[in-house]
Amino acid sequence: GNSVTQMEGPVTLSEEAFLTINCTYTATGYPSLFWYVQYPGEGLQLLLKATKADDKGSNKGFEATYRKETTSFHLEKGSVQVSDSAVYFCALVNQAGTALIFGKGTTLSVSS
Amino acid sequence: GAGVSQSPSNKVTEKGKDVELRCDPISGHTALYWYRQSLGQGLEFLIYFQGNSAPDKSGLPSDRFSAERTGGSVSTLTIQRTQQEDSAVYLCASSPRRTSGRSYEQYFGPGTRLTVT
Repeated sequence: GNSVTQMEGPVTLSEEAFLTINCTYTATGYPSLFWYVQYPGEGLQLLLKATKADDKGSNKGFEATYRKETTSFHLEKGSVQVSDSAVYFCALVNQAGTALIFGKGTTLSVSS
Repeated sequence: GAGVSQSPSNKVTEKGKDVELRCDPISGHTALYWYRQSLGQGLEFLIYFQGNSAPDKSGLPSDRFSAERTGGSVSTLTIQRTQQEDSAVYLCASSPRRTSGRSYEQYFGPGTRLTVT
């Protein structure tokens, strides 16, 4: 079945550093891919998505490109801020199309 | 507009008791989902509703877990005879009507933190 593998955290960066969080997937076909973010004390929020190969999702300075050749959807940001400190989840739709399958989550901590 | 709401936000219960968790989806969203978030298991899918029916309940961990949805809106997740391993944050999400072949976004509620003592 469909599955997601996400890099282990925590990731600790200084403000304005470059961020990459790796995500690879196994899937039948080409399901939509998502990045969700969970800020401290808050619920899950959709950060960005891509619905087909070579699509690039972007939001709040974050980007991720749907790469079918490498089955990857890595999250990047050129210059992180303290306010980006959160847990980031990579996800895709399950084979039945009825639910999201999430990676384990990566904790990002940004210091000033 | 109003987002997904869940109640209670926190619930502490004794082992062996039954609990009910409530979810109010975004108005007009026909699809509703329950997930569980725990330290050891991450985010796990429990059940999916389309309208009032549940075509996918494959994630429910045991027959102690059940859920219903009425009027195509509010959903209740019931856990009977709670066990300590049921302690987790239970998340509800909803999404607009989904047409075949299209992607869909799920909007999550703040969750109910369940602690079984």
